[in-house]
Amino acid sequence: GAGVSQSPRYKVAKRGQDVALRCDPISGHVSLFWYQQALGQGPEFLTYFQNEAQLDKSGLPSDRFFAERPEGSVSTLKIQRTQQEDSAVYLCASSLSSAGWRNTEAFFGQGTRLTVV
Amino acid sequence: AQKITQTQPGMFVQEKEAVTLDCTYDTSDQSYGLFWYKQPSSGEMIFLIYQGSYDEQNATEGRYSLNFQKARKSANLVISASQLGDSAMYFCAMREGRGSGAGSYQLTFGKGTKLSVIP
Repeated sequence: GAGVSQSPRYKVAKRGQDVALRCDPISGHVSLFWYQQALGQGPEFLTYFQNEAQLDKSGLPSDRFFAERPEGSVSTLKIQRTQQEDSAVYLCASSLSSAGWRNTEAFFGQGTRLTVV
Repeated sequence: AQKITQTQPGMFVQEKEAVTLDCTYDTSDQSYGLFWYKQPSSGEMIFLIYQGSYDEQNATEGRYSLNFQKARKSANLVISASQLGDSAMYFCAMREGRGSGAGSYQLTFGKGTKLSVIP
């Protein structure tokens, strides 16, 4: 596709339910990032993939959060036993390469707005 | 300490006027990159402009320019000739280097400034 695609755009989950959020990066992009954006805040880093390898998961808030990118393209962020504090917009971003990292532009999707009730 | 500080929660600007959005950063790295993103109500983050720590000239991209003052650790965004479509949230972000040269891949964002352009 032309841009980063995320689905679903909106998700309402009951507390305790498991959810899976999907990200389709731009074709050929090596790097993929997940960010969490709480209401009124800037995005906060969750995890980073280079191809299928998860190189950094330091931002995942708890072991209820799990991300994968098994074939180096589509990625899924899974949240188990959702809590109200998980309510946020989850943004996915991809970039062409990790080389030239300093100025490598990251392209973002429109995000998935998760509301836990 | 906050790594990226945006002190203006909201700003108003008259259409066709210029506006400056403030950003200060905190890092001990010598090598880093500074970014500005626009986030309209649709939600996606749109890349606007980039400044590298070693770049000697201020970055410019069309109506956007970055006023980079390294000694002050500030990277303010200047939007010239504001348009109604510029109304959005604006985020300053930084990507830091790690001394080993491997680089750090994540962006650290500020809390954003909501810009409203008045007709």
